[in-house]
Amino acid sequence: KNQVEQSPQSLIILEGKNCTLQCNYTVSPFSNLRWYKQDTGRGPVSLTIMTFSENTKSNGRYTATLDADTKQSSLHITASQLSDSASYICVVSSRRGDYKLSFGAGTTVTVRA
Amino acid sequence: NAGVTQTPKFQVLKTGQSMTLQCAQDMNHEYMSWYRQDPGMGLRLIHYSVGAGITDQGEVPNGYNVSRSTTEDFPLRLLSAAPSQTSVYFCASSRQGSPTNTGELFFGEGSRLTVL
Repeated sequence: KNQVEQSPQSLIILEGKNCTLQCNYTVSPFSNLRWYKQDTGRGPVSLTIMTFSENTKSNGRYTATLDADTKQSSLHITASQLSDSASYICVVSSRRGDYKLSFGAGTTVTVRA
Repeated sequence: NAGVTQTPKFQVLKTGQSMTLQCAQDMNHEYMSWYRQDPGMGLRLIHYSVGAGITDQGEVPNGYNVSRSTTEDFPLRLLSAAPSQTSVYFCASSRQGSPTNTGELFFGEGSRLTVL
């Protein structure tokens, strides 16, 4: 069973609008949570990384939040641009020290002009 | 900066053939890994290495071999290709010994493999 669930699976938004992506996880004990952006045909690129003590982190128009108590994270995209069209992947790691990361299946965002 | 370089970008194999996917990084990273990405699923770890001469299995290692003779290179070998190995393969590296620390994981551009 996947320990990282993302929703929605896909969404379409108009250029200039905002959107929020969700990530729920069951990975325990928690170490950190990352959001990656993957353009079509490319490798994932890191957007943010948050540890247990951080509940929000921004990277330009991308803002990630983390609630470690409810094991939920969100990625908010502000004033979307056509270049934001991509898949956004939530990745969670534990403190087990086993070198393994748990990946969500991703949310595909399409920004329309 | 080249970062993580994967070759080839595309490959078509017939069932039973063998091949090697190449991965090289120029960032002097200790940790290197191979993932496969299939539709509707998260990336799954195949094999990883925490330094030259050290490799270990991930979640889905069957049918794949790896070696790490240098810090820079981490090739992935398919021993006898099967249609179930049709996928997009990503190599990734991290400066720290474990990507579960806060070190950033850098990915290559991917290698798309089709097995007929």
